[in-house]
Amino acid sequence: DAGITQSPRHKVTETGTPVTLRCHQTENHRYMYWYRQDPGHGLRLIHYSYGVKDTDKGEVSDGYSVSRSKTEDFLLTLESATSSQTSVYFCAISESGGQGLRQPQHFGDGTRLSIL
Amino acid sequence: GQNIDQPTEMTATEGAIVQINCTYQTSGFNGLFWYQQHAGEAPTFLSYNVLDGLEEKGRFSSFLSRSKGYSYLLLKELQMKDSASYLCAVRDWNNAGNMLTFGGGTRLMVKP
Repeated sequence: DAGITQSPRHKVTETGTPVTLRCHQTENHRYMYWYRQDPGHGLRLIHYSYGVKDTDKGEVSDGYSVSRSKTEDFLLTLESATSSQTSVYFCAISESGGQGLRQPQHFGDGTRLSIL
Repeated sequence: GQNIDQPTEMTATEGAIVQINCTYQTSGFNGLFWYQQHAGEAPTFLSYNVLDGLEEKGRFSSFLSRSKGYSYLLLKELQMKDSASYLCAVRDWNNAGNMLTFGGGTRLMVKP
């Protein structure tokens, strides 16, 4: 199994509070991703990183920010959490994906976040 | 952008064969992935297709037709533990971040 650790695994917090989720990898992979998974929507990309200090927005980035100061750590921050951000959050990693290369993404165990 | 469609739910019997379809539209196809996800767990990688044809891996096979924008995942000799969601994901060659776009997933229920 890919060495990916997400923390915390579960969190309950109140609307308006800041929340930070952490993803830590031991594979030295270049790419890291944050997804959210909701019933009826499948996995949707929030932000991704293609190297230290290099990040970009995904499909559903509003209300989220990320940082990557080291290869192994990718942080997702909700500056002021809202109830619509209640979801299961998955981190994923992959090696470089050149033309035709297999290089699947591998997922962490997820963080279940509830915002009341 | 990309549009990926797969059935929401399927039911099959233990020991049988089931085929889960996935259709996609993309401006620059660069690979299709299948993942398995048990309830409450992380998705795990099953198979990858980038050229037309069938890729076989034990009880699981995946087929791709690029001209038709179509793939299927074939599960043989179904077991109860195969009850899970199966996610189809497409990679576009236009993106430099090895990003995937996922379909909504097909929830498979295997009955005795």
